Amino acid sequence: KAGVTQTPRYLIKTRGQQVTLSCSPISGHRSVSWYQQTPGQGLQFLFEYFSETQRNKGNFPGRFSGRQFSNSRSEMNVSTLELGDSALYLCASSLAPASGGGGEQFFGPGTRLTVL
Amino acid sequence: DQQVKQNSPSLSVQEGRISILNCDYTNSMFDYFLWYKKYPAEGPTFLISISSIKDKNEDGRFTVFLNKSAKHLSLHIVPSQPGDSAVYFCAASVVGANFGNEKLTFGTGTRLTIIP
Repeated sequence: KAGVTQTPRYLIKTRGQQVTLSCSPISGHRSVSWYQQTPGQGLQFLFEYFSETQRNKGNFPGRFSGRQFSNSRSEMNVSTLELGDSALYLCASSLAPASGGGGEQFFGPGTRLTVL
Repeated sequence: DQQVKQNSPSLSVQEGRISILNCDYTNSMFDYFLWYKKYPAEGPTFLISISSIKDKNEDGRFTVFLNKSAKHLSLHIVPSQPGDSAVYFCAASVVGANFGNEKLTFGTGTRLTIIP
């Protein structure tokens, strides 16, 4: 069974630009969560989608948004990029909503975003 | 191919006793290891880490042990408390020159339940 895939793997943008990251969950998984990973900060939860609905949202500004399609694929968008947005963005999929405490989360390899 | 494995999906421990969570890895290039804790409805939060130059790191009730020859790490919680009930993820990485936590790979998690 194929794992969680994220594209692109690496991305370089400049301040003020916007970026869209994509995540394809494991087949059959309906929940997709997004996390930001920065050095020394660990994983920080961004949001979770289940059946095209946002279930939970972390403490990030409105510049960070996401959506989920009917095939469970998810995208996250960051507008007006700032230097501090440079990070590894991880997505994770699970059968049941992760925020509901159900199901194991399987993480993708991440997208490394560098903002110059 | 799961490079970081947590073979016990769940663990139940009496309050006050020691909780031991295990993690095995296959990639000998990993040189930095982390444990995350995740409560329902919240994203994972960083707990403790260890570099491959050490074999033990302690932070309060939490101690992580690393056995490089066995490619095994464990998290000990002593004494266990009800608030420790959560899902614990171990993660491994190959640290890049700029400490970017490149190639961060997570296990699938162990659900720890502390029985009062």
